Amino acid sequence: GAGVSQSPSNKVTEKGKDVELRCDPISGHTALYWYRQRLGQGLEFLIYFQGNSAPDKSGLPSDRFSAERTGESVSTLTIQRTQQEDSAVYLCASSLVSTGGYEQYFGPGTRLTVT
Amino acid sequence: GENVEQHPSTLSVQEGDSAVIKCTYSDSASNYFPWYKQELGKRPQLIIDIRSNVGEKKDQRIAVTLNKTAKHFSLHITETQPEDSAVYFCAASIMGGANSKLTFGKGITLSVRP
Repeated sequence: GAGVSQSPSNKVTEKGKDVELRCDPISGHTALYWYRQRLGQGLEFLIYFQGNSAPDKSGLPSDRFSAERTGESVSTLTIQRTQQEDSAVYLCASSLVSTGGYEQYFGPGTRLTVT
Repeated sequence: GENVEQHPSTLSVQEGDSAVIKCTYSDSASNYFPWYKQELGKRPQLIIDIRSNVGEKKDQRIAVTLNKTAKHFSLHITETQPEDSAVYFCAASIMGGANSKLTFGKGITLSVRP
């Protein structure tokens, strides 16, 4: 079946603009995660959804970052007033259940460049 | 919170040799340890995982060992091939908890020389 998809694949934006990144998880997966990967670095946890609620937002770097999930499906990560340090690949992952111990399937990522 | 460290940061081996990549974790409550492989420009993909109720798991040329007392786990790749060249990330999480987020190490770049 279809895997996790993300859009856009690449986004170039000017400093100070807002951006929206979209994630379509695998159908039926209740858990959804957002990670950030800076160049040459590991994956940094941002936020986790269980269904449509977000029990853990502790990884969001600042109040410029927000995310929502609707219909236990699509999720949108919004970055307001982008800064150059926001440049990174933003990865979304979904998992069948939220209790852990199951594979997280990653999307291809959105490469964000803030100029 | 959990802290996962990987070492070394780069590893180069001759084709056919074995490669061992080590990770340490800090939170003794962590009980699920996956390894992800990320090829250049591609998404991370799970290659093997281990739960804390076992000490070793094998899948063809790949094995993972876990030492809960020392809080470290290792990925072993035997008979390495050029297509094994990639970045490998270890991670840790807590199964059954309120949050199954993965805490990743910074990754190790494995190069297999033909």
